[in-house]
Amino acid sequence: DGGITQSPKYLFRKEGQNVTLSCEQNLNHDAMYWYRQDPGQGLRLIYYSQIVNDFQKGDIAEGYSVSREKKESFPLTVTSAQKNPTAFYLCASSARGQGAYGYTFGSGTRLTVV
Amino acid sequence: LAKTTQPVSMDSYEGQEVNITCSHNNIATNDYITWYQQFPSQGPRFIIQGYKTKVTNEVASLFIPADRKSSTLSLPRVSLSDTAVYYCLVVLPPGGFKTIFGAGTRLFVKA
Repeated sequence: DGGITQSPKYLFRKEGQNVTLSCEQNLNHDAMYWYRQDPGQGLRLIYYSQIVNDFQKGDIAEGYSVSREKKESFPLTVTSAQKNPTAFYLCASSARGQGAYGYTFGSGTRLTVV
Repeated sequence: LAKTTQPVSMDSYEGQEVNITCSHNNIATNDYITWYQQFPSQGPRFIIQGYKTKVTNEVASLFIPADRKSSTLSLPRVSLSDTAVYYCLVVLPPGGFKTIFGAGTRLFVKA
């Protein structure tokens, strides 16, 4: 079955550490996205990528970095510069030219700073 | 980018029809109206999308007036499992690279 896989489901980070969240899709989608969700809030866009080797900052990119070396993969690194990284992180993808069905989301990674 | 406004929360009872209205006054000509559903600790799931008039699928109906400045998601005969957050978005196909997700509407269905 096609879909988006995010791992790990839960992640704990110590202060000052960088951590990388994995996102893999087998939908052959061109575009991929990272969103952050805080309790009781909507989703805020961190980064997005329309094609391989290209990505753009979203609304809250500070303290995060991404790469898009393969069409299937869009990992997100939460750096020590991110002041409040505890949140629920969601990866999504969408197809170019087939917009009727919008985004497909992964099941999320919950990151907690300890 | 078009911003949407929808109620923060709604309560309903099992078996009732639920209508959630979304306002999007500055929707652009080529934008589509899209609704997603999100359960706790899961990613949002696409429900329905439309451009104008009425769209119906096995899950919901979407009513869009001629001026397209608002839309209404209709959930027929809700059950406890419909308790979730519902997001209204305006999206420029193929996916809207900077689509705005607001806080959504928290629907609580009671027995």
